[in-house]
Amino acid sequence: NAGVTQTPKFRILKIGQSMTLQCTQDMNHNYMYWYRQDPGMGLKLIYYSVGAGITDKGEVPNGYNVSRSTTEDFPLRLELAAPSQTSVYFCASSYSGGTHGYTFGSGTRLTVV
Amino acid sequence: GQQLNQSPQSMFIQEGEDVSMNCTSSSIFNTWLWYKQDPGEGPVLLIALYKAGELTSNGRLTAQFGITRKDSFLNISASIPSDVGIYFCAGLTGTASKLTFGTGTRLQVTL
Repeated sequence: NAGVTQTPKFRILKIGQSMTLQCTQDMNHNYMYWYRQDPGMGLKLIYYSVGAGITDKGEVPNGYNVSRSTTEDFPLRLELAAPSQTSVYFCASSYSGGTHGYTFGSGTRLTVV
Repeated sequence: GQQLNQSPQSMFIQEGEDVSMNCTSSSIFNTWLWYKQDPGEGPVLLIALYKAGELTSNGRLTAQFGITRKDSFLNISASIPSDVGIYFCAGLTGTASKLTFGTGTRLQVTL
């Protein structure tokens, strides 16, 4: 099994550009999450989903949008990129909402210049 | 919102030494988890704890679910260079559908 796959691994955006960070999982997990990790810092929750068609905001949702049309995919959209969105983005999924932990992807390193 | 405070924030130790770190909260959690993040990678689950007082080992790692349910501890024995990374605790309350993560402990191991 591939687990949680994130693409791209690296990306440089100019201020004001838009992009979509892709996340897909093949474990049939209902719960999916997007986190950002700034240099030397912990994980901050951006958005999460408890199932297809359901999404909810985390602690830092401003500047981002998500959709969950299928169980497998949970893309994160950045509109009008800003330097403050320079970060490493991690997608994660779980079967049970966290009781047995999350499976994380390997991350997307985004730089906005 | 809920916060998990980890200490120490960073540690520099010599190979072969034992390591202790902890995670504390003002709230009660029903599940405690410990993750390790290698440089440039996503966090990987090390140990999961489900019962107050529970002590669980995974190789050289031992973690404990605090009796008060507001804290957890992770010990690493006989550290080796590949132990380098960031260690995160995470907690889950009964009705939540998402984990609360700690602030992380960065471990450096010198030869």
